[in-house]
Amino acid sequence: NAGVTQTPKFRVLKTGQSMTLLCAQDMNHEYMYWYRQDPGMGLRLIHYSVGEGTTAKGEVPDGYNVSRLKKQNFLLGLESAAPSQTSVYFCASTIRGGASYEQFFGPGTRLTVL
Amino acid sequence: GQNIDQPTEMTATEGAIVQINCTYQTSGFNGLFWYQQHAGEAPTFLSYNVLDGLEEKGRFSSFLSRSKGYSYLLLKELQMKDSASYLCAVRDRGGSYIPTFGRGTSLIVHP
Repeated sequence: NAGVTQTPKFRVLKTGQSMTLLCAQDMNHEYMYWYRQDPGMGLRLIHYSVGEGTTAKGEVPDGYNVSRLKKQNFLLGLESAAPSQTSVYFCASTIRGGASYEQFFGPGTRLTVL
Repeated sequence: GQNIDQPTEMTATEGAIVQINCTYQTSGFNGLFWYQQHAGEAPTFLSYNVLDGLEEKGRFSSFLSRSKGYSYLLLKELQMKDSASYLCAVRDRGGSYIPTFGRGTSLIVHP
């Protein structure tokens, strides 16, 4: 099993450009999440999904959109990138009803917006 | 809302024991996580505490006191590879799969 994978691993954008980050998991997990991690700020939740076709806002959703058309995929979109969105983005997933509610994280996408 | 507090940075010596504290103030409580994150890598799960007390897993132990809103992660026989950030996260509601993370504690282990 690959676990949680993220594409791309690195990206540099210019202000105003758009892009989509792809997260895929092969563990049949119901819950999926997108976080951003900035120095000294910990992990902050952008959006999450409790199942296929459903999404919800997290702590810092502005400037981002998400979609979950298939259970195994969770896409994060930036419509018009801004320098404030320079960050490391982590996707995670969790199984519903698990004993420990453990989140499994992808390797991260390092995004720089110039 | 939630408030999760942990020290920003700690240093320790190889072979020693270190305790990383986490205090929290939440509207409800349904579990506390510890994750380890090496520089440039993803967080990985260490422990999950729901009930009061100490849980041991090899060199790592995690303690919880719900009445005090307090947890600690204890690392014994420190190794250089234990140099990492340690993230505390709390689930505040039953049925919630949305933990809130603290800012993390950067642990530096030196020879």
